[in-house]
Amino acid sequence: GAGVSQSPRYKVAKRGQDVALRCDPISGHVSLFWYQQALGQGPEFLTYFQNEAQLDKSGLPSDRFFAERPEGSVSTLKIQRTQQEDSAVYLCASSPVVAGAGEQYFGPGTRLTVT
Amino acid sequence: GENVEQHPSTLSVQEGDSAVIKCTYSDSASNYFPWYKQELGKRPQLIIDIRSNVGEKKDQRIAVTLNKTAKHFSLHITETQPEDSAVYFCAAMGSTSGTYKYIFGTGTRLKVLA
Repeated sequence: GAGVSQSPRYKVAKRGQDVALRCDPISGHVSLFWYQQALGQGPEFLTYFQNEAQLDKSGLPSDRFFAERPEGSVSTLKIQRTQQEDSAVYLCASSPVVAGAGEQYFGPGTRLTVT
Repeated sequence: GENVEQHPSTLSVQEGDSAVIKCTYSDSASNYFPWYKQELGKRPQLIIDIRSNVGEKKDQRIAVTLNKTAKHFSLHITETQPEDSAVYFCAAMGSTSGTYKYIFGTGTRLKVLA
């Protein structure tokens, strides 16, 4: 079946531009996570959705980062006024598990480069 | 805050030898410990996981052990093959914040030399 997909796969933005990154989770998965992975590092948690509700945004590094999942399926991560330190791979993951431990299925990521 | 430490950062082994990667976590409420394999430019893929009520789990050449008292867990790969070369991440999942998020280690780059 179809896995988690993300678009675009690569994005180059000039410093100060706004970007929008899209995640299509596996159909029916209630939980959706965004992670930021810097080069040579492990993914770091950004935010979590349960259906359309954003239950945890404690990992968002600044108020320039905003995420939404208005209909409980597709999610968008928006970064305003991009800075060089925002350059990273942004991973989306979805899970059928609502409240408990279970596998998260990752998308291929969007590599953002801010010049 | 929640933290996962992973060692070593790089590991080279001869084909056929064993590889061991170790992780330590800080959140005593963590109850699920997955291991992901990430090849260059690819998405992380789950290879094995263990829950806190189990001390050891094995799947063919891969095994994971968990010591809850010491708050550490390890990945063991036996009879390594060149296709095992990748970056491996451990993670711990807890719910102290109400979110079942993963806290990842910093990764181990495994090279299996033919």
